[in-house]
Amino acid sequence: DAGVTQSPTHLIKTRGQQVTLRCSPKSGHDTVSWYQQALGQGPQFIFQYYEEEERQRGNFPDRFSGHQFPNYSSELNVNALLLGDSALYLCASSLGQASEVYGYTFGSGTRLTVV
Amino acid sequence: GNSVTQMEGPVTLSEEAFLTINCTYTATGYPSLFWYVQYPGEGLQLLLKATKADDKGSNKGFEATYRKETTSFHLEKGSVQVSDSAVYFCALSDRSNTGKLIFGQGTTLQVKP
Repeated sequence: DAGVTQSPTHLIKTRGQQVTLRCSPKSGHDTVSWYQQALGQGPQFIFQYYEEEERQRGNFPDRFSGHQFPNYSSELNVNALLLGDSALYLCASSLGQASEVYGYTFGSGTRLTVV
Repeated sequence: GNSVTQMEGPVTLSEEAFLTINCTYTATGYPSLFWYVQYPGEGLQLLLKATKADDKGSNKGFEATYRKETTSFHLEKGSVQVSDSAVYFCALSDRSNTGKLIFGQGTTLQVKP
């Protein structure tokens, strides 16, 4: 049973560029959350998608946007990249309202470096 | 607001030593509590969880008890192995904001043979 799959695994972009990261949730999961993990820090919640809508958002600017597709996969888009956007981006999937009970399954992440 | 505080690392232990990583939280209501582990170059893996007060989560020899009176969820293991070397994150999920995990800053564990 495949877990959460993220692509690409590594990415290097230039300041001002745009980037799209992709996530396929664990089989049977319908909810996708995105986190940003700066080096040496804990992950910070960006937003969550459920039923193709953004259900909750953390304290991130509008440059960060996302999308969820009918097959529950998701994309994270970041516009006008800044050096400070360099981080590990983690996708987590869960099963709707049962997230609290069964927890969240994380992917291995996409390491984004902005130069 | 809700927050999680972990003991600072790194924690360095010899193999077979006893491990405790302290975690305390601040939250409104009754959050679920989690411990995640991150091995070098990898994402997060759920280690254990507890969804209500006095629950004990356990997995792979690790355990943690949800203590509402002290707002704590300390991680313990009786005998650590070199393979336990990783970064450990304590996290909470606030039921009033379903889906948002709030993490501590992480504690690095190094186990020496």
